[in-house]
This record gives sequence, structure tokens and C-alpha cells, in this order.
Amino acid sequence: DTEVTQTPKHLVMGMTNKKSLKCEQHMGHRAMYWYKQKAKKPPELMFVYSYEKLSINESVPSRFSPECPNSSLLNLHLHALQPEDSALYLCASSQVGSGTGTGELFFGEGSRLTVL
Amino acid sequence: QKEVEQDPGPLSVPEGAIVSLNCTYSNSAFQYFMWYRQYSRKGPELLMYTYSSGNKEDGRFTAQVDKSSKYISLFIRDSQPSDSATYLCAMSRTGNQFYFGTGTSLTVIP
Repeated sequence: DTEVTQTPKHLVMGMTNKKSLKCEQHMGHRAMYWYKQKAKKPPELMFVYSYEKLSINESVPSRFSPECPNSSLLNLHLHALQPEDSALYLCASSQVGSGTGTGELFFGEGSRLTVL
Repeated sequence: QKEVEQDPGPLSVPEGAIVSLNCTYSNSAFQYFMWYRQYSRKGPELLMYTYSSGNKEDGRFTAQVDKSSKYISLFIRDSQPSDSATYLCAMSRTGNQFYFGTGTSLTVIP
């Protein structure tokens, strides 16, 4: 069973709506990630938080706003999305740093977003 | 040149066959190597993890890393219909920036 939990599993929203995706992990990991995945494509990195600070933003449009309230939680706030933003949004976590046994990346089940 | 190359398939095999999935990479600094299984409309599930080079076995699954050839493999023995999924390879130099292959779609026919 995955130890990264994402809610909601499915979300349908209009282009003027504001919604949030939530992610929680209980593995003590200090790096958390948001990925976007389109059908038949690999996950595409959006944001990385390391020790609750945003360390990587892959030039994501401002209609996506990440937040890391604490070391276990990660949110993605959505506002004024476009239909092309419809995708599977994946949260992941890993231990920070290098060295044996710290390179594993664990994904949640994802939140499937449809923008009408 | 892409950091990671993976044949997208699709790959179709009869039940019980041995499946070989492969990825090549260009960055010799990669030291963390992973294989994920992803069922349709689900998140990727970490299947195998290898640090540096060598082999790792877990049940019907064997992961191999050949750093001299920059080549990694996943073998599935006695394949089952439940193994039908997309398999993604991923790798990292630092353990917190990851590069993915495009995924190989596998169907195991009963």
C-alpha cells in the first residue's frame, strides 16, 4: 500500500472555480513533489519542496499555487484553470540528500482533475 | 539527447513468459535506479529500487544495473495477466531530482 495519500481522487471544476488538492505522507520524508501526468506520458515535475521550502518550480503557470504547511502535508491550490490542465496530478515524497537508501521516490495514487 | 530512453512498446507476451524491459541513460552520474508499475488511471507504484550497480531480486522480479553500459533492465519471470501495466524506469544523481523514461506498455495474454 502506498504511504502517500492524496485527496480528492477525482475533481471536476469549471474554469472560474478555486479548488485544492491535498497530499499527506507519514514516512518522515523531507522532500515532497507535485507532478502532472497526461495519458501515455511520464510524470512531469511541477514543484519540489525540501524541508518545507520551495526548492524547484518548473516554470509552472501561476494558476497553480503550491503550499507546504508542514513536513507531512502538501497542497496544490488551483484557480482559473484551463481545459488543457486536465490531467492526473501526482504527489510524491523522498528523503532529502544522497547516500545509500535515500533515493527512493514514492507516489500517491493521484488526483484526476477534469477542467470544463 | 534525452537523459533516459525507454522503448514505449507496446509489448505483448503469453502468460508464463519471461519479460525483459530496458532503459538506457546518458548521465554517468546517475546512482539511484527505480522501476515503477503503473496501472491505468492509478499512480506509479515503486516496484524495484537499486542503488549504484548490480542486481536485485524480489520474488518474480529482477532488476539489473550495468553502469559501464548505462543500461538498466527489469525481468519479470512467470508473467501473469495482473502484470499488464505500464512500466516506468526512473533514475537520479542526487536522490531528489528524478528522470523518467517514457514507459513501456505491457500486456500479458492469458
